[in-house]
Amino acid sequence: SQQGEEDPQALSIQEGENATMNCSYKTSINNLQWYRQNSGRGLVHLILIRSNEREKHSGRLRVTLDTSKKSSSLLITASRAADTASYFCATVTQGGSEKLVFGKGTKLTVNP
Amino acid sequence: DARVTQTPRHKVTEMGQEVTMRCQPILGHNTVFWYRQTMMQGLELLAYFRNRAPLDDSGMPKDRFSAEMPDATLATLKIQPSEPRDSAVYFCARSSEDTEAFFGQGTRLTVV
Repeated sequence: SQQGEEDPQALSIQEGENATMNCSYKTSINNLQWYRQNSGRGLVHLILIRSNEREKHSGRLRVTLDTSKKSSSLLITASRAADTASYFCATVTQGGSEKLVFGKGTKLTVNP
Repeated sequence: DARVTQTPRHKVTEMGQEVTMRCQPILGHNTVFWYRQTMMQGLELLAYFRNRAPLDDSGMPKDRFSAEMPDATLATLKIQPSEPRDSAVYFCARSSEDTEAFFGQGTRLTVV
């Protein structure tokens, strides 16, 4: 069963624009993670944010976490064609089980 | 080296045949996940292990699927007998407690 749900399912933007993807989840979490998947490849970890954190940055990526709303967002600034990929959020539920459950992802297309 | 190696990368088999997929994880990462990815269902968690012990295999059809860790360096996922609906990309991933997961490149399985 999916814990996280990404929104939108698909996003198409022009190079240089910012891309925002959202993730909502249902149960309390230990941490929330964002991954990227290029077509036909494995998933690559982008950022992990813990339940006691509100914001994290990595290069052009910014992740926010609102535990009161059970939601997170991933912002990619100054997007590039090479950012075209599917982006997934995944959650580790509170309780020490380390179970990592993924949403269905947002397919991002950055047009040159 | 954070690579996770999955073999085979591609497998085409006839319905009813046994399929074995292998994953060679990283020493020191003590949680192993098996996922199945399809267009319809997204990334489904089939099973996961911690320190080689199965923690949760509720996502797996147990009449035909089995997951094991014969030793700390190898994880296997077997399907016997295989069915066309098992066609999917199967991923393994490894992580340590409260850290990101490292994914293999996947095994693309086609059952005809």
